[in-house]
Amino acid sequence: GAGVSQSPSNKVTEKGKDVELRCDPISGHTALYWYRQSLGQGLEFLIYFQGNSAPDKSGLPSDRFSAERTGGSVSTLTIQRTQQEDSAVYLCASSLAPSAGMREQFFGPGTRLTVL
Amino acid sequence: RKEVEQDPGPFNVPEGATVAFNCTYSNSASQSFFWYRQDCRKEPKLLMSVYSSGNEDGRFTAQLNRASQYISLLIRDSKLSDSATYLCVPLAGGTSYGKLTFGQGTILTVHP
Repeated sequence: GAGVSQSPSNKVTEKGKDVELRCDPISGHTALYWYRQSLGQGLEFLIYFQGNSAPDKSGLPSDRFSAERTGGSVSTLTIQRTQQEDSAVYLCASSLAPSAGMREQFFGPGTRLTVL
Repeated sequence: RKEVEQDPGPFNVPEGATVAFNCTYSNSASQSFFWYRQDCRKEPKLLMSVYSSGNEDGRFTAQLNRASQYISLLIRDSKLSDSATYLCVPLAGGTSYGKLTFGQGTILTVHP
């Protein structure tokens, strides 16, 4: 079956521009996550959506970052007024609903963002 | 202290060798763990889940030491294809099961 897809795969933008990154989770997965990974660094949690619950936005680095998830499926991560330090790979993951057990997170291929 | 600490390596080992690396975590409430592997310029993929004291899957063994708050990953009979970055992920209980804190990863290179 189809995995998590992300678009675009690469995005080059100029400092100060806004960008939108898209994530299509695996069908049936109610949980969706955004991470970013800077060169040579680990994964940094950004935001987590689960069903109709309020998202956990505790990882968003500034108010320039926002994310939406429409209809419980597709999600868009928006970065306003991009800065060079925003350059990174933005990874989306989805899973079945986390509960008392664990739910494997399946990652998309990522969007490589370069801010010039 | 960081939530998750891993020896970044790199570990360079010949084919067939046994290699082990540790991951220490600061949250004593962590109940379960993932080991993910990430190939160069690729997304992470789940290697192993650890729910209790450990888990074994073929050449891979994970062992959990709750008293010392570390989890190890042992790879036996290393293959060239094992070359990757290995990410440790502890999962604490509570209200936000979805928020995972990934370690920075340990780089493994297996050479002929």
